[in-house]
Amino acid sequence: DTEVTQTPKHLVMGMTNKKSLKCEQHMGHRAMYWYKQKAKKPPELMFVYSYEKLSINESVPSRFSPECPNSSLLNLHLHALQPEDSALYLCASSQVRDQSYEQYFGPGTRLTVT
Amino acid sequence: DQQVKQNSPSLSVQEGRISILNCDYTNSMFDYFLWYKKYPAEGPTFLISISSIKDKNEDGRFTVFLNKSAKHLSLHIVPSQPGDSAVYFCAASVRGDYKLSFGAGTTVTVRA
Repeated sequence: DTEVTQTPKHLVMGMTNKKSLKCEQHMGHRAMYWYKQKAKKPPELMFVYSYEKLSINESVPSRFSPECPNSSLLNLHLHALQPEDSALYLCASSQVRDQSYEQYFGPGTRLTVT
Repeated sequence: DQQVKQNSPSLSVQEGRISILNCDYTNSMFDYFLWYKKYPAEGPTFLISISSIKDKNEDGRFTVFLNKSAKHLSLHIVPSQPGDSAVYFCAASVRGDYKLSFGAGTTVTVRA
C-alpha cells in the first residue's frame, strides 16, 4: 500500500477564517512533508517532519502552522491567509532519509482563498 | 538557482511510439534521481528512480538512463499510451537530505 490520503479535497476560505488540512499515511514512513504547488509549476517544499519533529521549515509565513500528532498524521493549520496562498497543497511521506528514498504524494487539497 | 532543468516544456508523440524526456542537473552532489507523473488536480505519482551508482533502471515500459559525466538523465516510455498524457517532473536529491529539487516539468501528449 503506497497511499497517502488528504482531506478535504477542496477548500474555500475567507481571509479571516481558520481551517486545517489533514494528511494520513499507513506505510510506516517516519518522514512527512507539506508542499505547495501552483498551476504548471513544480511542487515547492514547505515543511518536513522527521520522527514527528519539525526538521525543515522553508521560511514559510506563520499563517501556516504544521502539526504532527503521531507518526501517521500530519496537519496544516491555516489562519489569515491571503488570496495568493490559493494553490494545491500536497502532503508526502517517505522513509527517513539516511538513505535516498522516494516520496509518495497524496492527491492534494485544492485551496481557494477569497 | 534552478539545479534541475527540463528544457522541453512539451512533447507530442504518437501512440505506440517512444517518448523520450530529458533532464539536466548542475549539482554534482545529487546521487538519487526520480521521475514523477502528474495528472491535473492530482498529486504527483512516483514512476521510477535511479541511484548514481547505476546508469540504467528499467520498470516495465519505463526506463531511466543516467549519464553522470554529462549530468543528464532521460526517461524512455515504450510504447507510449494515451494514459501516459500527463506532466512529468524530474527530481533529484542528495543522500540524507529531505529536499527534492524538481525540474519545471514536461507536458506529454500522446496522440491516437
